[in-house]
Amino acid sequence: AQSVTQPDIHITVSEGASLELRCNYSYGATPYLFWYVQSPGQGLQLLLKYFSGDTLVQGIKGFEAEFKRSQSSFNLRKPSVHWSDAAEYFCAVVDNTNAGKSTFGDGTTLTVKP
Amino acid sequence: DGGITQSPKYLFRKEGQNVTLSCEQNLNHDAMYWYRQDPGQGLRLIYYSQIVNDFQKGDIAEGYSVSREKKESFPLTVTSAQKNPTAFYLCATGSGANVLTFGAGSRLTVL
Repeated sequence: AQSVTQPDIHITVSEGASLELRCNYSYGATPYLFWYVQSPGQGLQLLLKYFSGDTLVQGIKGFEAEFKRSQSSFNLRKPSVHWSDAAEYFCAVVDNTNAGKSTFGDGTTLTVKP
Repeated sequence: DGGITQSPKYLFRKEGQNVTLSCEQNLNHDAMYWYRQDPGQGLRLIYYSQIVNDFQKGDIAEGYSVSREKKESFPLTVTSAQKNPTAFYLCATGSGANVLTFGAGSRLTVL
């Protein structure tokens, strides 16, 4: 069965600093990978996705992520964090052999210091 | 605007009561999902449906029931058999390549 691990429960960065959120997955085949963001009390919004091809993918709000098959990782990055980026971030993997079911990590909460 | 509407936003339930959470979509997506979210546990799949009049259990279906009589609607009933129903419930639809679109969620509290 597929699984997703987000090692960092909570990360704090200063506004303007760079950000990297870690995601490791376990999946037998080439995965479909996603990052979603959730503001408090709201639903999740898609940031970016990887299906195939270029391993560096660009998303909304200036985010990018890099797929590294050898490390089973799909880390999310942003060069300069804004206060509005404070939220919870979820990494997800889709099982294409099982009705496209998504498995989510437990999330990383980002706090941005002024 | 196309989207997903979940109602109510907040719901309080007494012990032993069944409650139904509504999820309506106008995105014309075939697949619909219900997730439960608890602090520090990410999202867990309750039920999903890929087509009208058909649905499957997810990872934590016990104590829940669903129906899919129309493409646009996928209501979730939290029954009295669900021992710990207090949670945030998210409805989502799935488009091509399994991209999920989420509603704003419903927060259920048991009194």
